[in-house]
Amino acid sequence: GQNIDQPTEMTATEGAIVQINCTYQTSGFNGLFWYQQHAGEAPTFLSYNVLDGLEEKGRFSSFLSRSKGYSYLLLKELQMKDSASYLCAALDSNYQLIWGAGTKLIIKP
Amino acid sequence: EAEVAQSPRYKITEKSQAVAFWCDPISGHATLYWYRQILGQGPELLVQFQDESVVDDSQLPKDRFSAERLKGVDSTLKIQPAELGDSAMYLCASSLGAGASTDTQYFGPGTRLTVL
Repeated sequence: GQNIDQPTEMTATEGAIVQINCTYQTSGFNGLFWYQQHAGEAPTFLSYNVLDGLEEKGRFSSFLSRSKGYSYLLLKELQMKDSASYLCAALDSNYQLIWGAGTKLIIKP
Repeated sequence: EAEVAQSPRYKITEKSQAVAFWCDPISGHATLYWYRQILGQGPELLVQFQDESVVDDSQLPKDRFSAERLKGVDSTLKIQPAELGDSAMYLCASSLGAGASTDTQYFGPGTRLTVL
């Protein structure tokens, strides 16, 4: 079956760095997305990786290892507004998104 | 900046009643998705349209749910009759490309449904 695993909840301190991991098992693979979702709101797009390596976008970076079925989202210089759920989703061979349950990130002052 | 529009934002209904949700995708986007999201879980795809055609409705409970995108632009999702277990956030998303595509999906604000 197809599966996405990510931690349920993480806590970090304002100003610090946090890494949210995601492992995936899909039938075929056409890339991996990260979305941010604030409580009660819709997901918003953060990043898309299809090739191995790290992609940096401001305070956020996303890494992919296709051979390991692994990705992470790195958030630097954490701000209180980064408190949200972070959803990992892999695109399978049918170009359907397989979603993880999300990681709730709690930022403490 | 173009956005996906959804209405209503909140809906409270009693079980056995009918409810309908509306979605207007980003202009020019060929593909439209309806998702259901239960608190603490990832979105679950209910139906995917490419233009006016259904591409995937394998997870749509067809005995009570229906969806249409008659002119290939806006879309309506209906539930009749609503059940207590239908309480969830209903999300609409759209993406530019048609067919097999890696295009990013952009989400609307969602409709929070509560069934009493």
